[in-house]
Amino acid sequence: AQSVTQLDSQVPVFEEAPVELRCNYSSSVSVYLFWYVQYPNQGLQLLLKYLSGSTLVESINGFEAEFNKSQTSFHLRKPSVHISDTAEYFCAVRSGGLTGGGNKLTFGTGTQLKVEL
Amino acid sequence: DVKVTQSSRYLVKRTGEKVFLECVQDMDHENMFWYRQDPGLGLRLIYFSYDVKMKEKGDIPEGYSVSREKKERFSLILESASTNQTSMYLCASSYGTGEPSSYNSPLHFGNGTRLTVT
Repeated sequence: AQSVTQLDSQVPVFEEAPVELRCNYSSSVSVYLFWYVQYPNQGLQLLLKYLSGSTLVESINGFEAEFNKSQTSFHLRKPSVHISDTAEYFCAVRSGGLTGGGNKLTFGTGTQLKVEL
Repeated sequence: DVKVTQSSRYLVKRTGEKVFLECVQDMDHENMFWYRQDPGLGLRLIYFSYDVKMKEKGDIPEGYSVSREKKERFSLILESASTNQTSMYLCASSYGTGEPSSYNSPLHFGNGTRLTVT
């Protein structure tokens, strides 16, 4: 079974500092990885995804993640965070098969990013 | 924009009650999902559906059932609510034709229903 591990439950950081949220996966087959973000009192929304091709993927708000097959990691980074980045971030792996529900996702336990002034 | 609407933001029920959580999406998505979210456990899949009247168990289906009579609506049912079902429930939908090209379509989530069972 495919799974993801987010080792850090909380990451406090000062505004304009860099941040890295860690995600490691386990999978014996092709891997499709995602980062979702949940702002306070909202549902989750897709931040970025790795399907194939370039191992570095970017989001529109300055986050990036790098797929590292040798280290089985998909860490999320941002060089300079803003107060508005305060949210919970979830790493996920597609665990669905070739039948219905092919895009069923298995989520990690989440990392709460708290940006402080 | 895709809109996934969950009928209640907060719900308080008593132990043993039958509870219905409703979810409606407006983008004609084939797939719909119910997750529960608990601190330290992340999101866990309860049930999902890839077509009308079709359903499959997720990772934690015990104590729950679902209904999908219409494409846009997916209901989660707690047959006899218990205190360990106190949680945040998230509904999601996604495009899915059954073809591999649709397997990585993003999930669109509702804002959640916080259920408290006393």
